Amino acid sequence: EVQLVESGGGLIQPGGSLRLSCEVSGFIVRSNYMSWVRQAPGKGLEWVSVIYGGDTTYYSDSVKGRFTISRDSSKNTIYLQMNSLRVDDTAVYYCARLGLQATLFDYWGQGTLVTVS
Amino acid sequence: QSALTQPRSVSGSPGQSVTISCTGTSSDVGDYNFVSWYQHHPGKAPKLMIYDVIKRPSGVPDRFSGSKSGNTASLTISGLQADDEADYYCCSYAGSYNYVFGTGTTVTVL
Repeated sequence: EVQLVESGGGLIQPGGSLRLSCEVSGFIVRSNYMSWVRQAPGKGLEWVSVIYGGDTTYYSDSVKGRFTISRDSSKNTIYLQMNSLRVDDTAVYYCARLGLQATLFDYWGQGTLVTVS
Repeated sequence: QSALTQPRSVSGSPGQSVTISCTGTSSDVGDYNFVSWYQHHPGKAPKLMIYDVIKRPSGVPDRFSGSKSGNTASLTISGLQADDEADYYCCSYAGSYNYVFGTGTTVTVL
């Protein structure tokens, strides 16, 4: 059974840092494209970042230069290091697997809440 | 990249059909046949319902169907059921390793 379990969220002051984790079971993280997607309170989903094979990474303009996605194959886990946090980074953060040609998100976690205040 | 535009809400009675539109631009929806749809019950993980505009993952009922015309994609739910009540989001690949989601639509079963 595929499971993605996020952790690491919490309350943090503006300008602070936080690292989110997404522990995966049911498939091998290093063989898949993985992503972070967030949802601010009362808002829609917003793509944040993706890590491709070979550890190639991409970011949305809203987080570029502040967030870093990475993975630890030995733990089958992906991370999102968030620095210089802003109030508008407040959201539930979901990790998700990119399926097929990396054009869809086929497995998701239940999310972890980050509150910047 | 601006969010794709969806109606804020749609509603229907059990057994009826509802259609949710998703309007983008020639740089995303209009340029790629990589539109997907997600069902999201608050507090739960989003669920993939449609991908590549018209394809259904295994296990998704055929009451859910997708289409696209120009810069607008659509999700139709036929034979509406109580459990279909949720938020629905479209998503399009937008090139250059970018993905853009829709603004979200709340489906209410009357």
